[in-house]
Amino acid sequence: DAMVIQNPRYQVTQFGKPVTLSCSQTLNHNVMYWYQQKSSQAPKLLFHYYDKDFNNEADTPDNFQSRRPNTSFCFLDIRSPGLGDAAMYLCATSMTGYTEKLFFGSGTQLSVL
Amino acid sequence: KQEVTQIPAALSVPEGENLVLNCSFTDSAIYNLQWFRQDPGKGLTSLLLIQSSQREQTSGRLNASLDKSSGRSTLYIAASQPGDSATYLCAVPQDNYGQNFVFGPGTRLSVLP
Repeated sequence: DAMVIQNPRYQVTQFGKPVTLSCSQTLNHNVMYWYQQKSSQAPKLLFHYYDKDFNNEADTPDNFQSRRPNTSFCFLDIRSPGLGDAAMYLCATSMTGYTEKLFFGSGTQLSVL
Repeated sequence: KQEVTQIPAALSVPEGENLVLNCSFTDSAIYNLQWFRQDPGKGLTSLLLIQSSQREQTSGRLNASLDKSSGRSTLYIAASQPGDSATYLCAVPQDNYGQNFVFGPGTRLSVLP
């Protein structure tokens, strides 16, 4: 019954080595979000898609990219991970955005060595 | 710019107590407010969504209230149980035309048996 699925659950990468995190959804929602959450902090929005329309937050580093090849899938690419990028990455979906509930995946915990 | 704060940052109570968690936001022109639960190392689970036209929402032992004019929401948990131990976060839309949500840092709740 999982509705928003993130893979992998844990990801370890080396400093500077590109990494891709994936998210899929079975809800057929229009909006998909990527949040970064560091320990004991609020989730911080990196970017989101409304359908194919990409929206980047002004303070999201250029190091972070995203792809949404179809309604169901969305990817987060970190081109050259630094130690400061170690965090929990959360994917979320919503039918239309701010008027609706947010549904989250279980997250991917990224470690950078 | 919308900002969300939550008090207290952490709370420890004995099993069976009723408790109140607080959420404050700076821009009262919100469309809705959501409360989430986050277990350690996991994603967020939506608990309640209150529309701006509503004053409260109830789900089981949870009751959330919203006072837009004062920029506050409370989450009331009745007869707390050890299984309620988690971090509770609130979130509001960044504005009323985009899709972004702004989260508070959460209240970490421990219910002791």
